[in-house]
Amino acid sequence: GAVVSQHPSWVICKSGTSVKIECRSLDFQATTMFWYRQFPKQSLMLMATSNEGSKATYEQGVEKDKFLINHASLTLSTLTVTSAHPEDSSFYICSVPSGRPRETQYFGPGTRLLVL
Amino acid sequence: AQKITQTQPGMFVQEKEAVTLDCTYDTSDPSYGLFWYKQPSSGEMIFLIYQGSYDQQNATEGRYSLNFQKARKSANLVISASQLGDSAMYFCAMREGRNDYKLSFGAGTTVTVRA
Repeated sequence: GAVVSQHPSWVICKSGTSVKIECRSLDFQATTMFWYRQFPKQSLMLMATSNEGSKATYEQGVEKDKFLINHASLTLSTLTVTSAHPEDSSFYICSVPSGRPRETQYFGPGTRLLVL
Repeated sequence: AQKITQTQPGMFVQEKEAVTLDCTYDTSDPSYGLFWYKQPSSGEMIFLIYQGSYDQQNATEGRYSLNFQKARKSANLVISASQLGDSAMYFCAMREGRNDYKLSFGAGTTVTVRA
């Protein structure tokens, strides 16, 4: 069964609106979650690290005021794309590390965002 | 500099044959982990196999095996007995350090299995 869920799976919105994407860890608690973005036919690029109980850590070049991250609980992280523009259209995917001994990082099913 | 390099943009393989996907990495950290993921057209990222830098043996998971050559900094994925359902994009990824779990991904390799 799914270990990580994301909602919504796809969303279409008008330019200038804000969109919230939820990432839930279903099988275990996660103090850390990651948010990635993937453009068509490209690789995954890390956007930020979501930290439970503290501020998110953003990768270089990612606008923290545009991509708001809130790690509300040990099983939920949200990514809000504020004032979305067509260039924000992408596939957003979150991941949760399972830790040792069998180190695995589980990904959510992803959210396809289309900004018109 | 690229941390993960996958030089094969696309590959074709005949059903039931084996295929090797190349991956080289670059890190100065002695502790790191290497991952392979499969991404079908649906977009989900499916974990295939993991190799830790201190692991003595090559990792295997069913039809997947990782050919880990530490001195050459390569971590090639071997898929044996290819199936039509193996057609997908495959990504190599690396985690650096003991306490940092974020991943750096390669550009990916598209595998198409022919009947």
